[in-house]
Amino acid sequence: DGGITQSPKYLFRKEGQNVTLSCEQNLNHDAMYWYRQDPGQGLRLIYYSQIVNDFQKGDIAEGYSVSREKKESFPLTVTSAQKNPTAFYLCASSKGGNNQPQHFGDGTRLSIL
Amino acid sequence: KQEVTQIPAALSVPEGENLVLNCSFTDSAIYNLQWFRQDPGKGLTSLLLIQSSQREQTSGRLNASLDKSSGRSTLYIAASQPGDSATYLCAVPTDSWGKLQFGAGTQVVVTP
Repeated sequence: DGGITQSPKYLFRKEGQNVTLSCEQNLNHDAMYWYRQDPGQGLRLIYYSQIVNDFQKGDIAEGYSVSREKKESFPLTVTSAQKNPTAFYLCASSKGGNNQPQHFGDGTRLSIL
Repeated sequence: KQEVTQIPAALSVPEGENLVLNCSFTDSAIYNLQWFRQDPGKGLTSLLLIQSSQREQTSGRLNASLDKSSGRSTLYIAASQPGDSATYLCAVPTDSWGKLQFGAGTQVVVTP
């Protein structure tokens, strides 16, 4: 079955620690996206990538970093510079461009210890 | 800057009643509009994508309409069931890369 796999489902971060969230897709999609969801708010875009080895900042990129070394994978690192990292993180992918539906993984919930 | 609004934030209906969910956007120059469903603690499931040239899109009991000139889309769910209980979100792309601007969602409860 094709889809998007996010891991882990739950993650805890200690003070000053960097953590990495995994996102893998087997849909052969070119574009991948990371969103953050906070209670009562819509999703906000952190980073997105249209092709391998290229990515762009979204609306709230500060304190986050990404890489796109393979088409299937788009990991997100939450750095210690992100002072309020507690949120639900969602990864999405699409065939690319602005006229294709985006498909989402099941999310990773990040909390502070 | 495009803003997307969904009112009401929450809605409760008895089983069998038709659901009407609203989405409004401030910039009518949209490429398309996508409706999603989100179950608690889960990711988003894509329901319908309606192109800017379309006025309606249907899938089973779901029907989405789009009125670009008034900046509105409506999602109709016919004969609601308890399994339709979820949060429904709408989103529009804001650039050629597919960057989506989301509404905050409408939380729906269908009571048996």
